[in-house]
Amino acid sequence: DVKVTQSSRYLVKRTGEKVFLECVQDMDHENMFWYRQDPGLGLRLIYFSYDVKMKEKGDIPEGYSVSREKKERFSLILESASTNQTSMYLCASSSGGRLDGYTFGSGTRLTVV
Amino acid sequence: AQSVTQLDSQVPVFEEAPVELRCNYSSSVSVYLFWYVQYPNQGLQLLLKYLSGSTLVKGINGFEAEFNKSQTSFHLRKPSVHISDTAEYFCAVSDQAAGNKLTFGGGTRVLVKP
Repeated sequence: DVKVTQSSRYLVKRTGEKVFLECVQDMDHENMFWYRQDPGLGLRLIYFSYDVKMKEKGDIPEGYSVSREKKERFSLILESASTNQTSMYLCASSSGGRLDGYTFGSGTRLTVV
Repeated sequence: AQSVTQLDSQVPVFEEAPVELRCNYSSSVSVYLFWYVQYPNQGLQLLLKYLSGSTLVKGINGFEAEFNKSQTSFHLRKPSVHISDTAEYFCAVSDQAAGNKLTFGGGTRVLVKP
């Protein structure tokens, strides 16, 4: 089974802190994605990557950046956390060029105080 | 640009009753459609997908969905629900222009009552 692992289930950070959310997948998938999930809004795409060192903005990239130095790892960075970034963050991966859908991690619930 | 509308934010249903979750999409090209389920405190799992071929798609846990191109819909159904089906359900769409990116609807929360 493909596994997507997010390093933390729950995080509490202070306003202005730099926050790193880590995601690792173990099935050699080319594509990786970061979404945030908010009630009533579904999942909104923040950033995605189709290859190592490659990144593209999604629908709501403001206030975020990403890093993909290795194929299996895709990090989401909040440069200066704000309270409106309190949310559930979901990482997903998929095989390049195939429409099998995504495999999701369990999510990180981030609270910024 | 593609978009997905899930018409019901919450659906209460009694155990062993049928349920239908509605999903409509907008896209100008051939689409690929997905339903995901999210159980409490978990990530999303793929229930079923439509890529091509038969418009009636069967998924896991007794769920099925029907692709209707003329109505741009992909409604999810289950003839008899269990307490364990209490979860949030997300419809998602992708198309050739979007590559491998999925656009998700706002979700439908299903609460199965005994």
